Amino acid sequence: AQKITQTQPGMFVQEKEAVTLDCTYDTSDQSYGLFWYKQPSSGEMIFLIYQGSYDEQNATEGRYSLNFQKARKSANLVISASQLGDSAMYFCAMREYAGGFKTIFGAGTRLFVKA
Amino acid sequence: EAGVVQSPRYKIIEKKQPVAFWCNPISGHNTLYWYRQNLGQGPELLIRYENEEAVDDSQLPKDRFSAERLKGVDSTLKIQPAELGDSAVYLCASSIETGFEQYFGPGTRLTVT
Repeated sequence: AQKITQTQPGMFVQEKEAVTLDCTYDTSDQSYGLFWYKQPSSGEMIFLIYQGSYDEQNATEGRYSLNFQKARKSANLVISASQLGDSAMYFCAMREYAGGFKTIFGAGTRLFVKA
Repeated sequence: EAGVVQSPRYKIIEKKQPVAFWCNPISGHNTLYWYRQNLGQGPELLIRYENEEAVDDSQLPKDRFSAERLKGVDSTLKIQPAELGDSAVYLCASSIETGFEQYFGPGTRLTVT
């Protein structure tokens, strides 16, 4: 079974609008962490935001926020006021404490921001 | 502060040839990771080092892949001999400690012909 599922292979958004990238996860751990990374065409993975499983508040970092719904096991990334430079691949990842802190990545969502 | 450095950025080799990738992590980062990213997929962990010790190499194809992290700083990942299916981007990442956010290098894009 997939540990991290990103159901949107590609997404389009108009510049200056908000967009939500979906991520669901599967774990039996009580303690885990969720990450989002951005991968532009240059290839480098850029850390965006982190949410711990015990965090009660949704994480926010500038224009990025993580909509964490623990009961539904979802950790969607919301990008507000999209910019052309946001066009990239976005990966959701989960780090499980059991099994030695292994981080597992989803297949990614390609975001296209239109002018 | 310098990020994770990898070299080379691109490598094209013929199958059955050896190849090596080098990674210099962020200064002070004790944990180093090597990932393989196939086209259209997310990265998959090959090996994780805590200082100079390989603590998770369960996904490393040990018949042809080897890695080392001498003195707990730089690391080298080697493939010998390379196969067509090894064509991928090899990413190196580091974190202060295991469990903290990982910072990635630009990757090495390997093409095996």
